[in-house]
Amino acid sequence: DTAVSQTPKYLVTQMGNDKSIKCEQNLGHDTMYWYKQDSKKFLKIMFSYNNKELIINETVPNRFSPKSPDKAHLNLHINSLELGDSAVYFCASSQDSTGNQPQHFGDGTRLSIL
Amino acid sequence: KQEVTQIPAALSVPEGENLVLNCSFTDSAIYNLQWFRQDPGKGLTSLLLIQSSQREQTSGRLNASLDKSSGRSTLYIAASQPGDSATYLCAPRGYALNFGKGTSLLVTP
Repeated sequence: DTAVSQTPKYLVTQMGNDKSIKCEQNLGHDTMYWYKQDSKKFLKIMFSYNNKELIINETVPNRFSPKSPDKAHLNLHINSLELGDSAVYFCASSQDSTGNQPQHFGDGTRLSIL
Repeated sequence: KQEVTQIPAALSVPEGENLVLNCSFTDSAIYNLQWFRQDPGKGLTSLLLIQSSQREQTSGRLNASLDKSSGRSTLYIAASQPGDSATYLCAPRGYALNFGKGTSLLVTP
């Protein structure tokens, strides 16, 4: 009965590869997010989608491309992986994008680039 | 740009003590402020959300206050337990959540 689930939990790959991380929420929420937590433990917003439409797009390299096939899913595809992409990536969701509702987080995907 | 500072960075206390974790933020134009806990290797668990119009919220042994005008929030933990050991993150919400680095709490038996 996991609310926000991400796969895979761990991802180890080489520089230059392309990889995807999947996220699904079963809360019936309209809004989903991707965050990056770097080695210094800072969590920063990357993207947000509301009802499959992009509403927040921070200064993220265009090698990162989010895709939302429906409002319960928000996947993150990363092209040409670099060493600096090593981090923990968290997916989250909230009931709506008004800012009045709490965000619920997945357990994270730990990405390690060799 | 919102900057969030959490003090102390780390805290170690014996079981049973009452604690105060502090959070300050530079931009008071926020919708709400959310407190989370993060356990090692895990995601974030939402603890409390205080709307910008509210002064405090309580859940069990946790009480969070918000002074939006001065850019401050505190999380009060009563009668701490070893199971409270985790990193506590404060996140004021503007157009997105902005996180501090957190306070790493260790409660010893």
